[in-house]
Amino acid sequence: EAQVTQNPRYLITVTGKKLTVTCSQNMNHEYMSWYRQDPGLGLRQIYYSMNVEVTDKGDVPEGYKVSRKEKRNFPLILESPSPNQTSLYFCASSSPSTNEKLFFGSGTQLSVL
Amino acid sequence: GENVEQHPSTLSVQEGDSAVIKCTYSDSASNYFPWYKQELGKRPQLIIDIRSNVGEKKDQRIAVTLNKTAKHFSLHITETQPEDSAVYFCAASFHTNAGKSTFGDGTTLTVKP
Repeated sequence: EAQVTQNPRYLITVTGKKLTVTCSQNMNHEYMSWYRQDPGLGLRQIYYSMNVEVTDKGDVPEGYKVSRKEKRNFPLILESPSPNQTSLYFCASSSPSTNEKLFFGSGTQLSVL
Repeated sequence: GENVEQHPSTLSVQEGDSAVIKCTYSDSASNYFPWYKQELGKRPQLIIDIRSNVGEKKDQRIAVTLNKTAKHFSLHITETQPEDSAVYFCAASFHTNAGKSTFGDGTTLTVKP
């Protein structure tokens, strides 16, 4: 089944404790991206990647890191999480072959205490 | 960078009525305009999209119109049903930089039976 898999689904952590949210897609898509969703603010892009080893900042990149060492994986890293990073996070992938339609993962609800 | 504004933020209609959600964008280079529907607790899913070389696109009860000159596009839902209740997001991106997408803040549509 074609899908974007995010883990974990829920995560509670404390300020300053490094964490990684994983994202993997099995559709051979070139593009991958991370979004955060906050009430009233819609979906804001954190980082995106056009292909392996090619990443670029989105609209709200501060406090986040990403890497794209393999085409299928695009992990989101929070080196030192802070409470203002409490949010719902979505990974997405797309491709010219799918007319750039975004396929979203199931989301990760992160709480930073 | 691109800025997308979406109105209204909430919309309540009676079952069977029509609903219209409007978005404006700022970057005239944007040429891909998708609409996503997000049901409560679920991931966003594409419902319809339009490219800048087309003025209107229809899929059953859903239609999208694009006015490139005015830089705005709209989602039209006819004969609304309770299952249309969800949050709807518009987005804009530029084809050759498809990884970079900017979303509107979302519209919460409630269809009353």
